[in-house]
Amino acid sequence: DAGVTQSPTHLIKTRGQHVTLRCSPISGHKSVSWYQQVLGQGPQFIFQYYEKEERGRGNFPDRFSARQFPNYSSELNVNALLLGDSALYLCASSLAGLRGTDTQYFGPGTRLTVL
Amino acid sequence: DAKTTQPPSMDCAEGRAANLPCNHSTISGNEYVYWYRQIHSQGPQYIIHGLKNNETNEMASLIITEDRKSSTLILPHATLRDTAVYYCIVRVGNSNYQLIWGAGTKLIIKP
Repeated sequence: DAGVTQSPTHLIKTRGQHVTLRCSPISGHKSVSWYQQVLGQGPQFIFQYYEKEERGRGNFPDRFSARQFPNYSSELNVNALLLGDSALYLCASSLAGLRGTDTQYFGPGTRLTVL
Repeated sequence: DAKTTQPPSMDCAEGRAANLPCNHSTISGNEYVYWYRQIHSQGPQYIIHGLKNNETNEMASLIITEDRKSSTLILPHATLRDTAVYYCIVRVGNSNYQLIWGAGTKLIIKP
């Protein structure tokens, strides 16, 4: 079975631009979470979606938004890019995310560079 | 803030057992301990998780102290491919069960 897939792998943007990152979860998984990982740090939680509903949001500005589609894939959108948005963006999927024992499996990430 | 404390780095000889400690003194009764590893900017890889009892799978063993304030991840026969950053995470039992990550332990396996 395919794991979590993310596209694109790498992306270079300039300040002020907009970016859309995509994620396809493991087949059968209904929950998708997004994380931002700045170089040298652990990942930081951005969003979690379940059944197309936002179930959680981390401490990120409104420039960050996301959505989940009926096939459970997800998009992360970032507007008005800043240099500090340069990071590895990780998508994780889980069955339902409703219990503490529901394991999240991560994709390879999208490396975003903002110039 | 992360609820776990880990040493920033550790070395281990190839073929030996690697023992990675983690302190989580403020863990609540229904919170699980998760371990992931990340190899050079790839996506984190799930290793193992546990609540109270010791756990073992094909990758590793997880030993949790009786008071649940600390745990140890054991890689029984470390190989060079186990060189990675290892994250110990307490999964917060709120409505979205987000993972709150610390800085992790950089484990270097030496030949």
